[in-house]
Amino acid sequence: DQQVKQNSPSLSVQEGRISILNCDYTNSMFDYFLWYKKYPAEGPTFLISISSIKDKNEDGRFTVFLNKSAKHLSLHIVPSQPGDSAVYFCAATFDSGTYKYIFGTGTRLKVLA
Amino acid sequence: DAGITQSPRYKITETGRQVTLMCHQTWSHSYMFWYRQDLGHGLRLIYYSAAADITDKGEVPDGYVVSRSKTENFPLTLESATRSQTSVYFCASKSGVGETQYFGPGTRLLVL
Repeated sequence: DQQVKQNSPSLSVQEGRISILNCDYTNSMFDYFLWYKKYPAEGPTFLISISSIKDKNEDGRFTVFLNKSAKHLSLHIVPSQPGDSAVYFCAATFDSGTYKYIFGTGTRLKVLA
Repeated sequence: DAGITQSPRYKITETGRQVTLMCHQTWSHSYMFWYRQDLGHGLRLIYYSAAADITDKGEVPDGYVVSRSKTENFPLTLESATRSQTSVYFCASKSGVGETQYFGPGTRLLVL
């Protein structure tokens, strides 16, 4: 039972355009959502997060939107840069101090120069 | 080095052998985690630890053993390696405050 789903395994975007990565979840009890970025042969690195009490969080070129009624979150990257080419994982967890993080299967973003 | 490190980075072993993957963090984070990454599955939690001498199973613990005698180290042992344990293994840590996990660079394990 995949509680966190990233239905698009890959995405290609032109440099300078917007990249939108999507994530769906099934468990309405999740309290916190995170996005991680992963380059080949490296570990995932934290990108941005959002609490379930918010619907938007912004950090520079990265914005995460949360639609609780649809159980959907998205990561917007504007403008996209070639260095953003990586695999992006969304993850969900229940509350602060928990161990249980559920990861999606990842979306490979390719930003074309 | 500061941060979280894993060793070895690459390992080839044979079925039935015991293998230990090491993880070391310098932040004194209380929580540590082991994940495996496989195609089509994302990251799946194997074991986690909330503090020294406190460990618990995650989603896919079978065939693995962990220990945490010191806060900074969290080794993962495959008692008798199987081909299905061929994977990339990531260690992570986080403090008791906030949600962000910090990942090591990974160990790529091939079981022949």
